[in-house]
Amino acid sequence: AQKITQTQPGMFVQEKEAVTLDCTYDTSDPSYGLFWYKQPSSGEMIFLIYQGSYDQQNATEGRYSLNFQKARKSANLVISASQLGDSAMYFCAMREGDQTGANNLFFGTGTRLTVIP
Amino acid sequence: DVKVTQSSRYLVKRTGEKVFLECVQDMDHENMFWYRQDPGLGLRLIYFSYDVKMKEKGDIPEGYSVSREKKERFSLILESASTNQTSMYLCASSFRMLSNQPQHFGDGTRLSIL
Repeated sequence: AQKITQTQPGMFVQEKEAVTLDCTYDTSDPSYGLFWYKQPSSGEMIFLIYQGSYDQQNATEGRYSLNFQKARKSANLVISASQLGDSAMYFCAMREGDQTGANNLFFGTGTRLTVIP
Repeated sequence: DVKVTQSSRYLVKRTGEKVFLECVQDMDHENMFWYRQDPGLGLRLIYFSYDVKMKEKGDIPEGYSVSREKKERFSLILESASTNQTSMYLCASSFRMLSNQPQHFGDGTRLSIL
C-alpha cells in the first residue's frame, strides 16, 4: 500500500486566490512527521513546512499552512494568496517513527500547481 | 544555509558504462540519501547512509551501489548503465539526531543513458 497518496496530478489556481493540495498518508506508527516540498521547473527541492504527529496546532509558515486531520490521516497544504512563482510540483512526504536515525522519507507522486495570471 | 552540491546538472552516458554521481554537503550531516525521480512515480529511495562507511538499501537498489568514505561525500555508482536508469537523480542530507528536521536536497542530476 502507498504510504503517501496525492490524488491531484495537476491543479490550477487564479493568482491571489488560495489553493489546497491534498495529501493522505498511511502508517500504524503513532509517531511520524509530515513534510511538504516544492520543486520548481529548475529541479531543486525546497522544504516548505513540517507537521509532527504530536503537534497540537496546525503548522504555518508564511503563506503556507498545513490542514492536519489526524483521524482522517490527511495533511493538506494550503497556499494563500497564490503568486505566479508558486507554479511548481509539490510533494508530500512522511517520516515514520520517532527514532533518531536515518529518518527516511516516503514521498507521494506530486501535484503540479499552475497559477494563472 | 545548507548546501548540497551534486557534481553535474546534466550527464549523458552510454549503455554499459560505469557512471559515478557525486554529492557533497557542507553542514556536517550524518545522513545522506540518493533518490531517483521519474514522472508519475515521485521520489524513490535508492540508498542511504547514516554514517561514514555505512550504507543501507532503499526501495530500488538494484543496479546501483554507493560509497561513503568521508562524512561530507556520498557517491552513487551505476555499475553498468542501462537505458532504464535514465532519470533525474537527487541527493539529500539531514541531521541524524533531529528527526523533525527536513532533508536538504541538491539541484539534481538529469542522467541520460544512450
